Amino acid sequence: AQSVTQLDSHVSVSEGTPVLLRCNYSSSYSPSLFWYVQHPNKGLQLLLKYTSAATLVKGINGFEAEFKKSETSFHLTKPSAHMSDAAEYFCVVSWGNNAGNMLTFGGGTRLMVKP
Amino acid sequence: DAGVTQSPTHLIKTRGQQVTLRCSPKSGHDTVSWYQQALGQGPQFIFQYYEEEERQRGNFPDRFSGHQFPNYSSELNVNALLLGDSALYLCASSHIIQGQGQETQYFGPGTRLLVL
Repeated sequence: AQSVTQLDSHVSVSEGTPVLLRCNYSSSYSPSLFWYVQHPNKGLQLLLKYTSAATLVKGINGFEAEFKKSETSFHLTKPSAHMSDAAEYFCVVSWGNNAGNMLTFGGGTRLMVKP
Repeated sequence: DAGVTQSPTHLIKTRGQQVTLRCSPKSGHDTVSWYQQALGQGPQFIFQYYEEEERQRGNFPDRFSGHQFPNYSSELNVNALLLGDSALYLCASSHIIQGQGQETQYFGPGTRLLVL
């Protein structure tokens, strides 16, 4: 069975400081992993995805994530936070078969950015 | 190029009623998945439709059913509504490449359902 744990429900940073959102996964085989962002009253937007091509994945808006198999982690980072980064972030694992994939979401991390 | 669209944006129903939510996939996509997102939680997978058939299903009761049309659009139906069905219902579309699996899922803005 696949599962995802986001280690922090809330993270607060000051504008211009680094962002770290932590995610651990459990997967019985090589997973596909994603980070999605959800702004208030909006749908989910894909930030980045890992599909075994490279362990360091670069996404949109300056975000990146590193896949560490030995630690079963897929933490999301950004060097410098911007006010517009304030949102809910979801770490997601994809699993299934050639008939289709299901996404299993973590509980989410709410990122707050202080001026 | 329009992304994934959903209608209506908001809906209010009473317990015991039935509701139908609609989704149009992104151009070029042939697969539609539905998710339920309760307040303060991550989305949970309901089911997925491909080639007009339900291909995968999450842990939801039979009150939740769906349909996919030849133009790939989809409906989610919920019967005998309960208060606990109040949530944001998200539709995601993707494309399946035969022998290679499914590409990334892209989400619509969702339909917010309130059951009174």
